[in-house]
Amino acid sequence: KAGVTQTPRYLIKTRGQQVTLSCSPISGHRSVSWYQQTPGQGLQFLFEYFSETQRNKGNFPGRFSGRQFSNSRSEMNVSTLELGDSALYLCASSPRPGQGDEQFFGPGTRLTVL
Amino acid sequence: QQQVKQSPQSLIVQKGGIPIINCAYENTAFDYFPWYQQFPGKGPALLIAIRPDVSEKKEGRFTISFNKSAKQFSLHIMDSQPGDSATYFCAARGGTYKYIFGTGTRLKVLA
Repeated sequence: KAGVTQTPRYLIKTRGQQVTLSCSPISGHRSVSWYQQTPGQGLQFLFEYFSETQRNKGNFPGRFSGRQFSNSRSEMNVSTLELGDSALYLCASSPRPGQGDEQFFGPGTRLTVL
Repeated sequence: QQQVKQSPQSLIVQKGGIPIINCAYENTAFDYFPWYQQFPGKGPALLIAIRPDVSEKKEGRFTISFNKSAKQFSLHIMDSQPGDSATYFCAARGGTYKYIFGTGTRLKVLA
């Protein structure tokens, strides 16, 4: 079974631009969560999607948004990029909320904002 | 109340030693406590997890000890090997299936 895939793996943007990151969950998994990982703040929860609906949201500004498609693939978008948005963005999939406890993480997208 | 406090930040042990990483939480609604291992350039991978109705769980060389009354849990790595050198994260899952992560412990096992 293929794991969680994230594209692109690396991205360099400048302040003010916007970016879209993509995540394909493990086949059959319908829940996708996004996390931001930085050296200073660690892993912080961004949002979770299940059946194309956002179920949970972390404490991030509205510049961070996401969506999920009918095939469970998910995208997150960051608008008006700031230097502090430089981070590793991780996607995790699970079968469905509450069914099986394990989250499977992808390798992440390394975003650098200049 | 939503925080998970992890210590130490970094740890160096000799091969064969038993590194111990500790985590503490406040929210009694947390119902699942996983530990993740992350190597550079990779996403975190689930190592071992425990529920609050169990005080200890072992999987291979990895053991979680859980103290519900103290709201603390810890990871012990028996007979540590250089290949165990990685960053370890504890986490706690809330009632809405939202995960809160500790800040991570960078472990180095010397050969």
